[in-house]
Amino acid sequence: AQKVTQAQTEISVVEKEDVTLDCVYETRDTTYYLFWYKQPPSGELVFLIRRNSFDEQNEISGRYSWNFQKSTSSFNFTITASQVVDSAVYFCALSEAERRDDKIIFGKGTRLHILP
Amino acid sequence: DTEVTQTPKHLVMGMTNKKSLKCEQHMGHRAMYWYKQKAKKPPELMFVYSYEKLSINESVPSRFSPECPNSSLLNLHLHALQPEDSALYLCASSQEPYPGYGYTFGSGTRLTIV
Repeated sequence: AQKVTQAQTEISVVEKEDVTLDCVYETRDTTYYLFWYKQPPSGELVFLIRRNSFDEQNEISGRYSWNFQKSTSSFNFTITASQVVDSAVYFCALSEAERRDDKIIFGKGTRLHILP
Repeated sequence: DTEVTQTPKHLVMGMTNKKSLKCEQHMGHRAMYWYKQKAKKPPELMFVYSYEKLSINESVPSRFSPECPNSSLLNLHLHALQPEDSALYLCASSQEPYPGYGYTFGSGTRLTIV
């Protein structure tokens, strides 16, 4: 069963619009960690945020914000006032504490196009 | 130094060649990883090194051979690769080999097998 679902394969918005990337996860662990990574065309995966399962507080970092809701098993990512530099593939990922290793499970990614 | 450095950035090799990919980090991280990423797909885990010992091999063909000479270096030796092995190879490191630390990724090596 897929553990991290990013239902939006590709999104295009016009610059300055707000956009939300959806992430739904599945786990039986009570302790787990969620991540968002950005992959620009250059290829490097850039870490954006980590959230543990006990911290449901939403987070804001500049134009980026994250909404973690355990009740719906979602960890959505919103970019406010999008810019062309935000164009990238965004991956949501899950790490389960009861694993003996630290394998991160990636979603399939959402390709975001910000149009000028 | 908060980076993971991968060399080379691009590599084109024939199916009979032998080459190596190199990864280096100086953050004192104790876990290092090799991932393979095909176009428009998420990264797929290949190998995990924990405290310089191979801890996970995700059933990777033997034509890929990892090596961890020391805590800062990770190599991936390539031999007799197939065209389907063409991909972006990403190295990553983590502070500890336990859940929740997250990874720092390098910018990858784009490998083309001809």
